[in-house]
Amino acid sequence: QVQLQQWGAGLLKPSETLSLTCGVFGGSISGSSWSWVRQPPGRGLEWIGEINHSGDANYNPSLKSRVTMSLDKSKNQFSMQLTSVTAADTAVYYCARGDGLFPGWWLDPWGQGVLVTVSS
Amino acid sequence: SSELTQDPAVSVALGQTVRITCQGDNLRTYYATWYQQKPGQAPVRVIYGKNNRPSGIPDRFSGSNSGNTASLTITGAQAEDEAAYYCNCRDNSGHHVLFGGGTKLTVL
Repeated sequence: QVQLQQWGAGLLKPSETLSLTCGVFGGSISGSSWSWVRQPPGRGLEWIGEINHSGDANYNPSLKSRVTMSLDKSKNQFSMQLTSVTAADTAVYYCARGDGLFPGWWLDPWGQGVLVTVSS
Repeated sequence: SSELTQDPAVSVALGQTVRITCQGDNLRTYYATWYQQKPGQAPVRVIYGKNNRPSGIPDRFSGSNSGNTASLTITGAQAEDEAAYYCNCRDNSGHHVLFGGGTKLTVL
């Protein structure tokens, strides 16, 4: 059973770069797509983007100019960076595996979430 | 439109049936997936595909899709079902992922 464990800095200053990594345990990073989702305090879920096992990435158009995703097959983990953060980027960030068979698609499992706070 | 619309809040009496809906043009192409999220926890998939439940999800949860609307039905709601529910699917380009705004379910 695949499990995801994520880590990264939890407190950033405005204009800094957010960096998070998600480790894949109990399965291979190959053959699936891997997403990042965030949730501002008290609000809903927002998809940030995804990267597949070939390294091809899709990003939320609203964040595309600031986000980069990558994966490291040798370490069985994937990462995201979000540049020039502001207070509006304060959120719990989740990693998740994307899977499905058209016309179905889903995210499962999810990481435990990391709260990232942007404050001066 | 690349949006999924959900009612912000719904309530149901204990033991009664409740339907939570999700509307969007992309649901004409893709099935919705439904997630349950309790405070302080990561979302958990409860319905996926045409109407499938992951292992461990009670059979009181069911899903349906018709036109541009997907529905999550809880038949005989329990106190532990009180949570936020989100729908999700890919957009019609296939390159992006959408989430509904979420529905907060209160069990009275």
